[in-house]
Amino acid sequence: AAGVIQSPRHLIKEKRETATLKCYPIPRHDTVYWYQQGPGQDPQFLISFYEKMQSDKGSIPDRFSAQQFSDYHSELNMSSLELGDSALYFCASSFLARRYEQYFGPGTRLTVT
Amino acid sequence: SQQGEEDPQALSIQEGENATMNCSYKTSINNLQWYRQNSGRGLVHLILIRSNEREKHSGRLRVTLDTSKKSSSLLITASRAADTASYFCATTYNYGQNFVFGPGTRLSVLP
Repeated sequence: AAGVIQSPRHLIKEKRETATLKCYPIPRHDTVYWYQQGPGQDPQFLISFYEKMQSDKGSIPDRFSAQQFSDYHSELNMSSLELGDSALYFCASSFLARRYEQYFGPGTRLTVT
Repeated sequence: SQQGEEDPQALSIQEGENATMNCSYKTSINNLQWYRQNSGRGLVHLILIRSNEREKHSGRLRVTLDTSKKSSSLLITASRAADTASYFCATTYNYGQNFVFGPGTRLSVLP
């Protein structure tokens, strides 16, 4: 069965640079979620989209933005990167009607040097 | 904070033993899920228990939910070295969309 795809899997950036992470949800899933997991920490919800509209917002910094496109894939844009942004970024997808069944992608590991 | 909390935060056992991890939360939930994460890797869904369920089994996994105590436990029986990972509980509240994860328990199963 198709799973959530994230790209790239690993990304190294320098401070103050920008990064774009991509997420391709499971086919026909209409909702995408982004989570950030710092080293040794639990995943923290950043933002979610339903049918290309932002549906919920968590602890996402103002330097970050995200959107969902017509093909339901989503991109997380991160600007003015800081060392503290180094983390594993997960994307998850679901049907809105079954939002408790979120399927997680493998994550993108972002390292900011 | 509505965040779940797991205990113990680290657990080390011998292969063949049972491992029990607990998770507590602070407000009423819709459901609770357990995830497994190998070091620095993705989250693997283990089991979901709904707020009106008390116990659920899946293979060597047994999950209980006590809504009166706002707690859940994950039992792994006959543990194997391959069970070594971090285990997280995640909950949703007020039919919200996002998961709230607990801090996780790092399980080490020694051969």
